[in-house]
Amino acid sequence: GENVEQHPSTLSVQEGDSAVIKCTYSDSASNYFPWYKQELGKGPQLIIDIRSNVGEKKDQRIAVTLNKTAKHFSLHITETQPEDSAVYFCAASSPGGSQGNLIFGKGTKLSVKP
Amino acid sequence: NAGVTQTPKFQVLKTGQSMTLQCAQDMNHNSMYWYRQDPGMGLRLIYYSASEGTTDKGEVPNGYNVSRLNKREFSLRLESAAPSQTSVYFCASSSTGGEGEKLFFGSGTQLSVL
Repeated sequence: GENVEQHPSTLSVQEGDSAVIKCTYSDSASNYFPWYKQELGKGPQLIIDIRSNVGEKKDQRIAVTLNKTAKHFSLHITETQPEDSAVYFCAASSPGGSQGNLIFGKGTKLSVKP
Repeated sequence: NAGVTQTPKFQVLKTGQSMTLQCAQDMNHNSMYWYRQDPGMGLRLIYYSASEGTTDKGEVPNGYNVSRLNKREFSLRLESAAPSQTSVYFCASSSTGGEGEKLFFGSGTQLSVL
């Protein structure tokens, strides 16, 4: 089955710097890659996603890139702000199944220091 | 709209006790899910219900049972709680359960089993 590795597990940056979180997946058939943000005491929320027919997607300060050949995808946050501090999860989904096929990485705790 | 509502928010059990975690969504979604979140382990799927009247096992179903009471409600039951079930439990829902849909999460139930 699918396996998703996420790095780093913790990341600390200064306000205004960029942050990059990387994930690799094992199933070459996977074709949907969402990123969820979890603030303290809350449930995860979808912030951006990408499908395998696209190499990059951007939404304001957040972007995701996908390299299908290398089977890895990354979350890029530019001009970080203290409110970006949270735990971020990547995930991968194989085609033909339900959301029960969505496999999450172990999470990255991002701290943005003012 | 409340979205996905979970009760209780906190619970302490003794080993061997039973309890039911409740989840309700008001978005008219067909699919509902139960995840557990453990430190360093990310989100792991326990059970899911693709539609009213159906339930399926996820990655870590042992020790749990579920009931899709109606379209709105999906409960998770621990018949005989064990310390290994100490975790934060999240309920989620999605519109049709198809691949590539946004998951909406509740705010979680923090469960401690002593």
